This record gives sequence, structure tokens and C-alpha cells, in this order.
Amino acid sequence: GQQLNQSPQSMFIQEGEDVSMNCTSSSIFNTWLWYKQDPGEGPVLLIALYKAGELTSNGRLTAQFGITRKDSFLNISASIPSDVGIYFCAGPRDSSYKLIFGSGTRLLVRP
Amino acid sequence: SAVISQKPSRDICQRGTSLTIQCQVDSQVTMMFWYRQQPGQSLTLIATANQGSEATYESGFVIDKFPISRPNLTFSTLTVSNLSPEDSSIYLCSARGEGSGYTFGSGTRLTVV
Repeated sequence: GQQLNQSPQSMFIQEGEDVSMNCTSSSIFNTWLWYKQDPGEGPVLLIALYKAGELTSNGRLTAQFGITRKDSFLNISASIPSDVGIYFCAGPRDSSYKLIFGSGTRLLVRP
Repeated sequence: SAVISQKPSRDICQRGTSLTIQCQVDSQVTMMFWYRQQPGQSLTLIATANQGSEATYESGFVIDKFPISRPNLTFSTLTVSNLSPEDSSIYLCSARGEGSGYTFGSGTRLTVV
């Protein structure tokens, strides 16, 4: 079945640095979603991408929908301590409405 | 986007008992889902909660273990039955509303002792 391969698994960076993470799949996705999960909370949607090649920003976050429709990346610029959390990519499986999730990227920010 | 209230937020249960988790959405939504997140892992879809009919379960999840109700377009429950320590996880409900927005409840952290 479809799978999302997310990397890196974790990152430990200095406050102020930029961060990049990505998701790839062997299958085509029509939608890419990026979520952040804080400890003890459910995932919160950061950015939604609906079109191949689309580049979308949300504050310091920028995400792109790969032209092949098989990948997406999320960039965080000028990281701050509250960026700490787990970031997940997700997409609807097999053209259904059922979301599958990547394995997550755990981000730690050193003040 | 829809706001989801999920409860309880956490519980500690004895093995062999059951826990029912409730999910209330502040608006009518077309689809509701239940996920499991095992410690340190990603989210895995358990089932789609169908309004007025039986839930649709994913491979590896069965109705006897995870009965689900969805009596209307704003409410659903998940029961985790005959608990064992392996059921210790975070359980999350999700709703898909207008457009393609998927929102999540804050999760229920279950510990089985």
C-alpha cells in the first residue's frame, strides 16, 4: 500500500537556524498536508497543498508540493523554541479521504 | 475549520476492562475517523466512523475490539475493549469538514495496568 517516507527522523538545532524536512512516496498524492503535534495534543494543520508545484507559506513556514506529486518539503525559517514538536506529513490514501501519515520529524531547538 | 472536543484526555484502566472515548464536533462534518498513536510512533488509522451504519475498519482492527458508534453528524465514540497493556496508546479522533480540512481532537492517552 501507499507509504510516506519522512526524513530526517529528528533534528536538534540552534535557535535562529533554518530547518528543512521532506516526505517522499512511490505513489502519487493529490494533496499534501503538514501537521505539528505538541506533547499531549493532537496534530494541528500547518499547511495544505493541493496542486503540483504549489509553494505555500504560513508565517515562517513554507511548504512545496513536488512537481512529480510524489514528494513535499517543509521549511521553517529562523527557528524559535516554540517550534519544538513533531512534524508530520500526511496525504489521502489511494484517492480516498483516509489520511496516511509519515513517520514524523522530531524537532528540538536549543535556545 | 471544525473544533473537536475529545474526552477523557487520559485514563488509567485495569486489564480486561473497556474504555469509551467520546468525540464531539462543533459543526456537522461529512466524515469522522479514529486513529491510534503508539508511544513514539506515527498515527495509524483504526476506522472510519459512518453515520447511521457500521464503521469501516482498517486491516488489523476489528469491530469486537474497537466498537464505534456515530449516531449523528457531530458525535462519535470509540470503545477499546478487553484491555491489555499493548493497548496503551494515544487515541485520536479526526473530522473532515467542508473543503479538504481535517482537524484532530487533542487525544486520549490510555494506560493499561
